[in-house]
This record gives sequence, structure tokens and C-alpha cells, in this order.
Amino acid sequence: GAGVSQSPSNKVTEKGKDVELRCDPISGHTALYWYRQSLGQGLEFLIYFQGNSAPDKSGLPSDRFSAERTGGSVSTLTIQRTQQEDSAVYLCASSQDSNYGYTFGSGTRLTVV
Amino acid sequence: GQSLEQPSEVTAVEGAIVQINCTYQTSGFYGLSWYQQHDGGAPTFLSYNALDGLEETGRFSSFLSRSDSYGYLLLQELQMKDSASYFCAVRDGNNRLAFGKGNQVVVIP
Repeated sequence: GAGVSQSPSNKVTEKGKDVELRCDPISGHTALYWYRQSLGQGLEFLIYFQGNSAPDKSGLPSDRFSAERTGGSVSTLTIQRTQQEDSAVYLCASSQDSNYGYTFGSGTRLTVV
Repeated sequence: GQSLEQPSEVTAVEGAIVQINCTYQTSGFYGLSWYQQHDGGAPTFLSYNALDGLEETGRFSSFLSRSDSYGYLLLQELQMKDSASYFCAVRDGNNRLAFGKGNQVVVIP
């Protein structure tokens, strides 16, 4: 596609439920990042995929968070047993070459009630 | 670890010049980037500096001094549409992009 696509755009879930967030990167982009942004805050790094290499999971805040990237393309971020502090906008970005910047999707706004 | 410092907010009139500073501390360094984010929107890439000096792209310029671990984004001839948050981001030795907390620019008529 022309840009990075994320779905759903909005998700309201009950505390304790699991959620899955999807990211479709730009075709051919080998690098894919997930970030989290709370209201009025900066972007918090979660996880990074580069080609077929093992992902860098160092930013995942707890073992309730996991992510996978199938076939080097689509990625899903899963949050198990959601908590209210998980409420944020989850942003996905992809890049062909870091020197030219990352293209972000419009994000998924997650609200845990 | 990494840390990036940015001042929080600046208000300026149309046509003015604004400089947004960024100091960073990181293990490994492969460049400083700047992103713009309008309210409710996705961050969009503005510029990238890997080497010392000034990079100019239209009304926006970005500067890097690696010896000072410092960079800035210069917004010239401010327009109302430039009202947004501006983030600096450092690419570290592990290819992670770490973002600062951002600086909100408010442009007034």
C-alpha cells in the first residue's frame, strides 16, 4: 500500500481482556517498529523487527506484551490481560533505510475501561 | 541507556523564527532525526543528520554537533500550519530510534 496501515483505529476493551493490534507496513520495508504514546507524551519504544533477524524486544513493558511479524510483512502486537495503564495510542512505523526516516501509521487508540 | 532533553512549549507569531533544541545521551549514535506531529496525527519525518553541520530543507533546517551531543531544528517563516509537536529522535548502536518528549510549537497570527 501507499502508507503504513494500522487497525483498528480505535479499540475500547474491558480490563482483563486480550487485544490484538495490527500493522501493515509499506511493501518492501524491512524495518518495523512499535511505539506507544500516552496523552501529551513522547513515543515509548516497544519492539523492533529488522528483516529475518530476531526482534529487539527490550522495550516491551511486561510479559503481557508480545509481537510477531509474519513473512517479514504484517505485524501484530498482542496485549494480554489488559490494564488501565495500557491505555495509549499504539503507533507502528516502517522503513526501508533508517537514513530516510520512518513512516508512521495513524495508530490504534486503545482505551481500557 | 538513552535520554533526550527537549524544552516543552514555545509560542511564536506567523513569520517568526523558532529554534527547538535537543540534547541527547546515548550508547552508540547513528544520527539525529526530527519528526513533526499534529494533534491527533501520526509523526511525520522532517530531517536526518548523521554528520556535523546544518541540513536545510525549505523553511526547516536541522543542525548537529556530535561533540556536544546537541542538535536543533530551525523553523523559519512560521506558518499557522506549523503549529504541532516536534520530536527529536536518536538512532543508537542497536538501530533503535529513541524519541524525546517533544516540543509543542504554537503559532499565533
